[in-house]
Amino acid sequence: AQSVTQLDSQVPVFEEAPVELRCNYSSSVSVYLFWYVQYPNQGLQLLLKYLSGSTLVESINGFEAEFNKSQTSFHLRKPSVHISDTAEYFCAVRAEAGGTSYGKLTFGQGTILTVHP
Amino acid sequence: DAGITQSPRHKVTETGTPVTLRCHQTENHRYMYWYRQDPGHGLRLIHYSYGVKDTDKGEVSDGYSVSRSKTEDFLLTLESATSSQTSVYFCAISESSRGIKNIQYFGAGTRLSVL
Repeated sequence: AQSVTQLDSQVPVFEEAPVELRCNYSSSVSVYLFWYVQYPNQGLQLLLKYLSGSTLVESINGFEAEFNKSQTSFHLRKPSVHISDTAEYFCAVRAEAGGTSYGKLTFGQGTILTVHP
Repeated sequence: DAGITQSPRHKVTETGTPVTLRCHQTENHRYMYWYRQDPGHGLRLIHYSYGVKDTDKGEVSDGYSVSRSKTEDFLLTLESATSSQTSVYFCAISESSRGIKNIQYFGAGTRLSVL
């Protein structure tokens, strides 16, 4: 089985500051990794994903995440945040193959990012 | 929301009453999922379906049942609602359970309050 730990439940930052949302996972098999974003009163939207290839993945709105297999981490970063980035962010993992949890997403507890003017 | 419609969007009900939530998709995806979202817990899988009439339990399935009579519809039923089932419920869909085609897309959610 997989587990995901998001190390910060809330992250307040000022506009234009850099931000890092931390995500660590545990798994006995290889995994795919995801970040989802949930804006207030909305559903979850896929922000970015790591499936294979380059360990650095980017989203269209300036976020990036780096898969670090040795540290079992998939931290989300943005060099300069905007007010509109205020949302809750969820890290999720899924086993690539095999095991009883194959095909199922396991989510972290979520990190609320609040960007202040 | 990737062609996914959840209904109702909000519901208030009383303890002991039955409740059915509906998820409708227009993507013709084979896999459908029901999650609940609670503060401090992220999203937890309740049940999922891998085809018409094919369903399986997730990690928090007690007190819930599901049915899928058509590809496009996945129903979640609380047979006798309890206050612990007050939550936000999300439906998700994916094309496959395997590889890069298992990208899950989510509906807008149903906020359920059990009084």
